[in-house]
Amino acid sequence: GESVGLHLPTLSVQEGDNSIINCAYSNSASDYFIWYKQESGKGPQFIIDIRSNMDKRQGQRVTVLLNKTVKHLSLQIAATQPGDSAVYFCAELIYNQGGKLIFGQGTELSVKP
Amino acid sequence: NAGVMQNPRHLVRRRGQEARLRCSPMKGHSHVYWYRQLPEEGLKFMVYLQKENIIDESGMPKERFSAEFPKEGPSILRIQQVVRGDSAAYFCASSPNPMTGANEKLFFGSGTQLSVL
Repeated sequence: GESVGLHLPTLSVQEGDNSIINCAYSNSASDYFIWYKQESGKGPQFIIDIRSNMDKRQGQRVTVLLNKTVKHLSLQIAATQPGDSAVYFCAELIYNQGGKLIFGQGTELSVKP
Repeated sequence: NAGVMQNPRHLVRRRGQEARLRCSPMKGHSHVYWYRQLPEEGLKFMVYLQKENIIDESGMPKERFSAEFPKEGPSILRIQQVVRGDSAAYFCASSPNPMTGANEKLFFGSGTQLSVL
């Protein structure tokens, strides 16, 4: 859903632990989802994507899970490292609405050494 | 994403002045998207352009904001008579194809931080 100016949710984990970042999306017609990582002062960087006909996709140290029943998306980061500290956004794409990405509010991940 | 170039990185304007933000997409990309980000918020879609055409401007404020992507040169986001509420980070993204299918990815620039005094 769209941000309404609330403070970003935060997640603090210990280095080496696994992180799980959650995202609820609003449109059941969304066809495609992407997770982006944004470090301070930089633009969003692509992490991993998943199509709506899938429920899981794995990358290097990251896994995205999609639950269309409850319109929920999660990003799992294995063996979290200090370099993973950033704000993470999920984005949804609706093909028949001009193909633009709609971003969620974001979660700030902080990794303690 | 280093290929999408935005300038300036920081822009300071006084109320009532004009702000021009520039975006050069990655080589070979003809689709450009502009997003605005307020502190501690997500990115809000503003406008989608192809060369010489505005495809979707549903996120653009009705007044003072305009965008173009000429045949030659960068895409320009123009804000006339800026107000303090325009202070934000403005990000440009480009793609080689329309974002109408899976596996299409947006590549973002580093943004322009606009501060209105």
